[in-house]
Amino acid sequence: AQSVSQHNHHVILSEAASLELGCNYSYGGTVNLFWYVQYPGQHLQLLLKYFSGDPLVKGIKGFEAEFIKSKFSFNLRKPSVQWSDTAEYFCAVNRRGSQGNLIFGKGTKLSVKP
Amino acid sequence: DSGVTQTPKHLITATGQRVTLRCSPRSGDLSVYWYQQSLDQGLQFLIQYYNGEERAKGNILERFSAQQFPDLHSELNLSSLELGDSALYFCASSVGGTGGMNTEAFFGQGTRLTVV
Repeated sequence: AQSVSQHNHHVILSEAASLELGCNYSYGGTVNLFWYVQYPGQHLQLLLKYFSGDPLVKGIKGFEAEFIKSKFSFNLRKPSVQWSDTAEYFCAVNRRGSQGNLIFGKGTKLSVKP
Repeated sequence: DSGVTQTPKHLITATGQRVTLRCSPRSGDLSVYWYQQSLDQGLQFLIQYYNGEERAKGNILERFSAQQFPDLHSELNLSSLELGDSALYFCASSVGGTGGMNTEAFFGQGTRLTVV
């Protein structure tokens, strides 16, 4: 079955530190990949997405992610985090040709210390 | 604002009861997805409807059911509620109903269900 693994449960960083959150998926076919962010008490918002083309995708708020097909990975990065980036981050995948429902990882909670 | 509206925002009910959660998708979106978010299980896909028809089922209990109406709004019915059903229930919508392009999902604010 399709699954998504996020390696870090909780990451604590100081402001201006660089961020990399890991995400691996288990499906070998063609997939669409997403990162969502959930700020405290809020709904999930799309940060960025990958469907095809350039494997380095840029999203909102300075986030980017790189799709490495050979590693089944889609890691999220940001060069310099801010206190306002404190949130939970979810990696998700849906399979091309499927019904489109997203399979989510367990999420990574990011705490940024001012 | 994602354009997906969920009501109510909060719901407190007793064990054994039945509740209905409502979702209005973004204008033009044909697919509606229901997810359950709990601390131990994370975000679990429950069920998907596309243009009024059930399209995919995930980890949805038999006590739960859903439907999508002709105006495309959807309802999730939870019955014989147990303490373990306490969770945040999200509805999401997307334009398409397949895993092709334009299947990014837009999420509502969620309904926080507390079963006491």
